[in-house]
Order: sequence, then structure tokens, then C-alpha cells
Amino acid sequence: QKEVEQNSGPLSVPEGAIASLNCTYSDRGSQSFFWYRQYSGKSPELIMSIYSNGDKEDGRFTAQLNKASQYVSLLIRDSQPSDSATYLCASREGGGSYIPTFGRGTSLIVHP
Amino acid sequence: EPEVTQTPSHQVTQMGQEVILRCVPISNHLYFYWYRQILGQKVEFLVSFYNNEISEKSEIFDDQFSVERPDGSNFTLKIRSTKLEDSAMYFCASSDLAGGQTQYFGPGTRLLVL
Repeated sequence: QKEVEQNSGPLSVPEGAIASLNCTYSDRGSQSFFWYRQYSGKSPELIMSIYSNGDKEDGRFTAQLNKASQYVSLLIRDSQPSDSATYLCASREGGGSYIPTFGRGTSLIVHP
Repeated sequence: EPEVTQTPSHQVTQMGQEVILRCVPISNHLYFYWYRQILGQKVEFLVSFYNNEISEKSEIFDDQFSVERPDGSNFTLKIRSTKLEDSAMYFCASSDLAGGQTQYFGPGTRLLVL
């Protein structure tokens, strides 16, 4: 059974701080990893994808992948109240299967 | 900006009834997906569709579910005989690449089965 685990939170950070969101996955065959943002009652929106070990930066977001530890993280710098949402981590195998496995998500609250 | 649209936004039905959820993917996309999210639960993959046939499906996508692209724009999910546990948000998504490097999600249809 493939699992993606996330702390449900809520993670509360002050405006301007760095928010750190973490995710672990069980399937060593996973090759692609994604972070989605989901506002309450809305659909998921892809914010980052990462495929190789190390860091990938996009604006205020940095995704980090450590395949040996089966660990993915998302850092949000200069957090804004508008970043308050649930962040979903997802993994996907390669090898022709494109079925993603989602975690339950971590609720982030950025307070002014 | 192109977007995936879904209708209806909300659907209430009686147990045992058939429902059809409709999606209009982004026009130049070739790969289509259905997901569901039970309230407070994970997003779960149901099915992917390419070239007028199912590419992959999950264990959830059993015989009561079917998908169709009846014309050049719509992509539908049919649930033949709804059960209480089918109550969920159903998301359609589309992508222009296999595996959906970026899958664009629609706003969802909230289905409530009574």
C-alpha cells in the first residue's frame, strides 16, 4: 500500500516567517513529487514539482527531495496571510504509471 | 487564461440514482482525469483517459463508474447507482502531457447522496 504521510497541522506561522511543510512517502519506486495548494472548498493547484534529489526554488517556494530518506519538504519564505491553505504532497511512480498518491495535507495558517 | 470547467457545481441525488458529472477540459489538452475527495480526506485518483480510452484506473473505479468523451469538448463521469459513500467532491483535471507534469484541476462538483 503506497502511502504519503503529512502532519495535518495546523502549522501556524507569523507573517514574514518561513513555513516548513514536510512529507514522507512509503514507495521507494516513486520518482515524481508534487506540492499542491488547496484553499478551503476549492480545487488543488500545483505549486511545485520535483524529480531529483536536492532543492528546487521557484519564487518564495523551495521544494526539497531526499530519496534516501523518502522525504519531501516545501519551504515558503516571507509567508503571507494569502498562503493560508492546505498543502498537499503527492508522489507518483515512473515506469508508465501516472497514478498519483496524495497525502492528507497540512493546514497552514499565516497570521498577521 | 484557459481553465477546466465542471458542471454542476453541486448535485444532490437519492441513493441508487444515476448521476453524470460533466467537465470541459482545456481545449488543447489530450489527457483527462477524474479524482474524488471525500470531505476531510485525501484526494484520490479515479481514472485517466487518453485517445478515447481509459489509460489507468484505481481500485475505486469499479463497474459502477464509467467515463466518456461524447464530443470534442466534454468529458463525463457517470456513476450508475449511487451509494451514500459516493458523497464527495469530484474533480476533473486535464494536461497536455502524459503523466500530467501540470494537471489543471477544475473547480469540482460536490455530490451529496441521500
